[in-house]
Amino acid sequence: AQSVTQPDIHITVSEGASLELRCNYSYGATPYLFWYVQSPGQGLQLLLKYFSGDTLVQGIKGFEAEFKRSQSSFNLRKPSVHWSDAAEYFCAVGPNTGFQKLVFGTGTRLLVSP
Amino acid sequence: DTGVSQDPRHKITKRGQNVTFRCDPISEHNRLYWYRQTLGQGPEFLTYFQNEAQLEKSRLLSDRFSAERPKGSFSTLEIQRTEQGDSAMYLCASSPRPRGNTEAFFGQGTRLTVV
Repeated sequence: AQSVTQPDIHITVSEGASLELRCNYSYGATPYLFWYVQSPGQGLQLLLKYFSGDTLVQGIKGFEAEFKRSQSSFNLRKPSVHWSDAAEYFCAVGPNTGFQKLVFGTGTRLLVSP
Repeated sequence: DTGVSQDPRHKITKRGQNVTFRCDPISEHNRLYWYRQTLGQGPEFLTYFQNEAQLEKSRLLSDRFSAERPKGSFSTLEIQRTEQGDSAMYLCASSPRPRGNTEAFFGQGTRLTVV
């Protein structure tokens, strides 16, 4: 069965500190991997995606993620968090066919303390 | 191009009423998707169109739900005889015909509250 696990429901980080959000997936074939961010009451904005090639991918707003096939992980990182990064973050997987039937994790809510 | 547009943004309805939501995808995107997101959960796939053809429906899409994309442009999602369990955010996304790697672009969603 296809699934995405985001083990941390909430994470609180001090402004300026580094951030890592965890994502593990179970997928039958080589997947496409995504991280989305959602502000309260809003839709989803794509932060970054992995399709193939270099396993360290760069995204918008200073985020990056590393695909580790052996660990079935795609963790999101940011070296220095800003207060505006407070939001809900979703990891998602989909088929490597361009068909965007995505399976999402349950999300991690990021709180940023002053 | 203003992105994926959804209307209305919010809808409050009484249980048993019918509701219809509209999604306007990014122009020239031939693929359109509907997802549902309940409180505290990630979005769940409901259905998918390629042009006007509905190619896949999730088992989440009960017979009270119907989606259309009559001219291959905008899409509507109708829920008949709404139930409290239908309260959720309904998200629409679109993507272009894949030439290489593509991604879906999401709208801001329609939040449905059934009272």
